[in-house]
Amino acid sequence: QQQVRQSSQSLTVWEGETAILNCSYENSAFDYFPWYQQFPGEGPALLIAIRSVSDKKEDGRFTIFFNKREKNLSLHIKDSQPGDSATYFCAASDTNAYKVIFGKGTHLHVLP
Amino acid sequence: EAAVTQSPRNKVTVTGGNVTLSCRQTNSHNYMYWYRQDTGHGLRLIHYSYGAGNLQIGDVPDGYKATRTTQEDFFLLLELASPSQTSLYFCASSGAGGAPDTQYFGPGTRLLVL
Repeated sequence: QQQVRQSSQSLTVWEGETAILNCSYENSAFDYFPWYQQFPGEGPALLIAIRSVSDKKEDGRFTIFFNKREKNLSLHIKDSQPGDSATYFCAASDTNAYKVIFGKGTHLHVLP
Repeated sequence: EAAVTQSPRNKVTVTGGNVTLSCRQTNSHNYMYWYRQDTGHGLRLIHYSYGAGNLQIGDVPDGYKATRTTQEDFFLLLELASPSQTSLYFCASSGAGGAPDTQYFGPGTRLLVL
């Protein structure tokens, strides 16, 4: 049973396009949703995160859109750059837990 | 910047072998985690700990033991390694304050079990 599901294993966009990475979850108790970015040969690193009281979180070119009713969220990467090519993990946890559940990841390729 | 280091970075062992993976964090974090990363499975939690001497079972604990000797040091033990444990292992730390908190990952250890 996969509690956090990322709809695409791989996504390819052209430089300058907006990349959209989708994620859904099952547990209604989840209220914190971080996205982690991982480059080859490195560990994942926090990119951006949202709490369920918000429906949007923006940080530069990266925006999370959150739909609590539908239990899904998406990460939008505006003006994608080749340097954004990486694996992106959607994750979720509830306020009382130190345990984070990760999705399987989406490998983003940005072509120049 | 939070710092998590892992050793060794690469390890090859044989089936039935004994392996210890080490992790150290200098962030004064309470929580430490061991994950394995496999293609098609993403990151899966093996064990975690909220302080020296504490151990919590994760989602894929079979075949693994762990020990937290100090606030800084967390070890993952494979006492009878099997080929199915060939994977990329990450350690992470978090939790200077209340849950939930950013997890800071180490660079990973690549383990090959022949």
